[in-house]
Amino acid sequence: DGGITQSPKYLFRKEGQNVTLSCEQNLNHDAMYWYRQDPGQGLRLIYYSQIVNDFQKGDIAEGYSVSREKKESFPLTVTSAQKNPTAFYLCATRQGAAEAFFGQGTRLTVV
Amino acid sequence: KQEVTQIPAALSVPEGENLVLNCSFTDSAIYNLQWFRQDPGKGLTSLLLIQSSQREQTSGRLNASLDKSSGRSTLYIAASQPGDSATYLCAVSDTNSNSGYALNFGKGTSLLVTP
Repeated sequence: DGGITQSPKYLFRKEGQNVTLSCEQNLNHDAMYWYRQDPGQGLRLIYYSQIVNDFQKGDIAEGYSVSREKKESFPLTVTSAQKNPTAFYLCATRQGAAEAFFGQGTRLTVV
Repeated sequence: KQEVTQIPAALSVPEGENLVLNCSFTDSAIYNLQWFRQDPGKGLTSLLLIQSSQREQTSGRLNASLDKSSGRSTLYIAASQPGDSATYLCAVSDTNSNSGYALNFGKGTSLLVTP
């Protein structure tokens, strides 16, 4: 089954806790992206990676960290420095400027 | 910075109507424009990708047009059905940013098709 797998579907974070969202792809795309979606707002870019072992900050990178050790995987860590992490997180992949594809998302809630 | 605007924010139509969703962008230096559909609580499903050199793309009942010089795109849905109810998002990747073909999104149009 080809595509992008995000896990978990739902995640709960306590105050001061770091949590990691998983994104795995088998499309063999070089580029991977993390977006955040809040009600009434468009998707905002957190981090992106165009190649293994390299990644760049997007528009709202503060309080987040990523790694790209394998082409297939681009995990996102939401650190305790992110003061308002409750949101829907979406992972995407793309090969150059071709069609972009998205995972099914992870809904993160602070408890 | 590229800004993408979608009008209307919400739309309700009876089943069978043809409808048009609008998308505008401020910087015409784009690689392409992509339309997505999002169902509640789900990820984004790609509908159509239009390259900057193209004027339109069609897929089934969907037709998307692009006027790059005026910074506009429209998504035309023919003979709407209740199953078309979803949020429709427009996104562009522009040549002036250094964000690796990352997409800039509008806030979407929430469509409800009533039986």
